[in-house]
Amino acid sequence: QSVLTQPPSVSGAPGQRVTISCTGSSSNIGAGFDVHWYQLLPGTAPKLLIYGSNHRPSGVPDRFSGSKSGTSASLAITGLQAEDEADYYCQSYDSNLSAPYVFGTGTKVTVL
Amino acid sequence: QVQLQESGPGLVKPSQTLSLTCTVSGGSIRSGAYYWNWIRQLPGKGLEWIGYIHYSGSTYYNPSLESRLTISVDTSKNQFSLKLSSVTAADTAVYYCAGGLTPYYFDYWGQGTLVTVSS
Repeated sequence: QSVLTQPPSVSGAPGQRVTISCTGSSSNIGAGFDVHWYQLLPGTAPKLLIYGSNHRPSGVPDRFSGSKSGTSASLAITGLQAEDEADYYCQSYDSNLSAPYVFGTGTKVTVL
Repeated sequence: QVQLQESGPGLVKPSQTLSLTCTVSGGSIRSGAYYWNWIRQLPGKGLEWIGYIHYSGSTYYNPSLESRLTISVDTSKNQFSLKLSSVTAADTAVYYCAGGLTPYYFDYWGQGTLVTVSS
């Protein structure tokens, strides 16, 4: 089971803002390790959306933003669009685990 | 822009070896300081990091799989590979290859390939 917990699902109407939380602990996010976010769409390559907790790779719309505080992180999507309907995963590093590259439980975003 | 593509059998029999290859295009597998990873998604579950090989040749494996796992690089073909031996149904998953300039996150991903372990 994952050490990073996300809500199973979030939803919003087009144009709205949604946020996805990623809750960790003192051995990962709380220890200062960065959080990264990925978008998974069926049949396509997963896409890095946010790295280093709040940095967007080139080409990622500024509708996507990331933040981190304490033992948690969040991904916000503003101006929600139909094409944003996908699964989203957070990822970090855990200093207590021998397999330290850990992913969240995943969140399905539904555009109503 | 680096692109990755997985290839290999979609069906493997129990106790046999699962072998997958990831072809890297848009750049040399030897360039930069890339970490070349394998990640899998078990059915109905989240993502699990399997291991990586650094362009220097060093490897780091998930201890839960280490005894069965080999990740290697073929620079002549610009590919890296995964071999997982003695597979069981629990190894059925979508397998992704991914690359990154640091080991801490994954810049580039392949689209994934479903491998089913069944007789």
